[in-house]
Amino acid sequence: GESVGLHLPTLSVQEGDNSIINCAYSNSASDYFIWYKQESGKGPQFIIDIRSNMDKRQGQRVTVLLNKTVKHLSLQIAATQPGDSAVYFCAENRGSNAGGTSYGKLTFGQGTILTVHP
Amino acid sequence: DAGVIQSPRHEVTEMGQEVTLRCKPISGHNSLFWYRQTMMRGLELLIYFNNNVPIDDSGMPEDRFSAKMPNASFSTLKIQPSEPRDSAVYFCASRRSGQINSPLHFGNGTRLTVT
Repeated sequence: GESVGLHLPTLSVQEGDNSIINCAYSNSASDYFIWYKQESGKGPQFIIDIRSNMDKRQGQRVTVLLNKTVKHLSLQIAATQPGDSAVYFCAENRGSNAGGTSYGKLTFGQGTILTVHP
Repeated sequence: DAGVIQSPRHEVTEMGQEVTLRCKPISGHNSLFWYRQTMMRGLELLIYFNNNVPIDDSGMPEDRFSAKMPNASFSTLKIQPSEPRDSAVYFCASRRSGQINSPLHFGNGTRLTVT
């Protein structure tokens, strides 16, 4: 029979534009969130993280926003470059102690394909 | 920093054969995780260890799957016997537990094809 895979959301932008990738998480008890970037043939690469006691965190060219009211997470990439083309995953930690043994049971979203055109 | 090292990068085997995937975590990381990635199901946690002890193996799909961590620098994931539906990319990841802002670092995976 025909296999049905995940239909990943896609985002296509021009080089230099800002990109916003969104993620809805499911568990209101999740206390730690991470964004990963995965390029073809490679493992997920850590981009930025945020704890549930924060609503915004900035890194180099990236910003993560957390809205716990609606359980929404977003990743903003400034001045997007062709090298940013990849699949982006959000992940939530459902443990109560992000530093303890419960951490690591990350639940990953399905991912968003970002394509940056020169 | 060499990162998480997995071997082999690719494995092609016939149904019924035993498959062993290997992982060397980042030195100093005491938590190790095995994930599986498929188009159908995305990234799934199979099992994780803390200080070489399996903490949660509820994601291991069947008894055909087993994982060991004999020491802090080595882990294996074994499938015996393998089946075509086991075809996937298997990732190993590690982190330093006890630190809140210590994210998972992933290896580049083993692409397994079972024919």
